[in-house]
Amino acid sequence: DTGVSQNPRHKITKRGQNVTFRCDPISEHNRLYWYRQTLGQGPEFLTYFQNEAQLEKSRLLSDRFSAERPKGSFSTLEIQRTEQGDSAMYLCASSLVTPGHNEQFFGPGTRLTVL
Amino acid sequence: KQEVTQIPAALSVPEGENLVLNCSFTDSAIYNLQWFRQDPGKGLTSLLLIQSSQREQTSGRLNASLDKSSGRSTLYIAASQPGDSATYLCAVDLWTGNQFYFGTGTSLTVIP
Repeated sequence: DTGVSQNPRHKITKRGQNVTFRCDPISEHNRLYWYRQTLGQGPEFLTYFQNEAQLEKSRLLSDRFSAERPKGSFSTLEIQRTEQGDSAMYLCASSLVTPGHNEQFFGPGTRLTVL
Repeated sequence: KQEVTQIPAALSVPEGENLVLNCSFTDSAIYNLQWFRQDPGKGLTSLLLIQSSQREQTSGRLNASLDKSSGRSTLYIAASQPGDSATYLCAVDLWTGNQFYFGTGTSLTVIP
């Protein structure tokens, strides 16, 4: 069990550019979440996948954001036309959901800075 | 919408002291409550998960309790150590949905 991994760990980009982040969950986990965290705040839910299906999206996920999880394995989060307000830590988590039990395990995050 | 509050926002204690962190939530129809630790600039580390049918969970020097009727959870840390210094976050999910709602965390400093 290598845990949840995320790449890149840091990304600096100019306003208006597109960026893509990758998350590799724990291999047997069936659920994958994306969160955004700004300084001094708790993580805010963006979206989640049950296997390859994207089942819920937050209102925070504007039309500039898109997430995919092809074949129910790794996931990507793309932000188009980045804005300075997108600067944050983007966290990925995975879990193996069983009746009554849903424990999330987080990756190290990708810190995005938009100049 | 579920609101999660953590008090205090910051706490500083001398090494060896026992301490309690508090988490409150507005919707009692929770599915799970999970406590995490976060070191500066890092991801979250899972500490304890309490299922809705449970009252408490223990791991080493940590004990978490859950009272759904009052909308509260506590994380008890025994014999605190400087290595316990971090931000502690609680998160809940609901039977009616699948997203987790996080509090803003308690920043703990244990002074040697």
